[in-house]
Amino acid sequence: KNEVEQSPQNLTAQEGEFITINCSYSVGISALHWLQQHPGGGIVSLFMLSSGKKKHGRLIATINIQEKHSSLHITASHPRDSAVYICAVRLLGTSGSRLTFGEGTQLTVNP
Amino acid sequence: EAQVTQNPRYLITVTGKKLTVTCSQNMNHEYMSWYRQDPGLGLRQIYYSMNVEVTDKGDVPEGYKVSRKEKRNFPLILESPSPNQTSLYFCASSPRTSDQPQHFGDGTRLSIL
Repeated sequence: KNEVEQSPQNLTAQEGEFITINCSYSVGISALHWLQQHPGGGIVSLFMLSSGKKKHGRLIATINIQEKHSSLHITASHPRDSAVYICAVRLLGTSGSRLTFGEGTQLTVNP
Repeated sequence: EAQVTQNPRYLITVTGKKLTVTCSQNMNHEYMSWYRQDPGLGLRQIYYSMNVEVTDKGDVPEGYKVSRKEKRNFPLILESPSPNQTSLYFCASSPRTSDQPQHFGDGTRLSIL
């Protein structure tokens, strides 16, 4: 079992739909990142969370530390949101400052 | 412009021929890291550095070396590349630790024949 699991692996939506991508982890963490990887391959950091909720434009990220779960929501989705969304965590109990990644969620938003 | 620059962007080479992928950042960040990305496995951390002369292994360090002689540079060295190191590589930096937003380079696609 992976230490970080994302669901779904693939998601297809129609423009305008509300989208949720989930990330679950197996042990305590000190921080969780949501990343976006564009079709061209570049990676952009969307959010870094250690508690609560953050919002940027149409994107909202939440984290529930007790349930070891985070969600990334996209409101009013648009074809330009099509990308791979990746969750990454710094697991407590690991040495130094390592990051562990989920396998990513491929999102396709159709016009 | 704040950025992380990797070179080369693409490289095709042969088994055993030493190569270096350079990574440079202009944000005075202390934390730098290397990752590889493979289909079905996602991103995995190779090595990271908390500051000059401080490096540590990630999840998949075998076959790689790194150095951090200057704050801005963090090269990834493959002393004797093998085909299983064919991958997409990313360098990233953040102000101090992995608990802060990461700034990624554009990636280096390595093919080792």
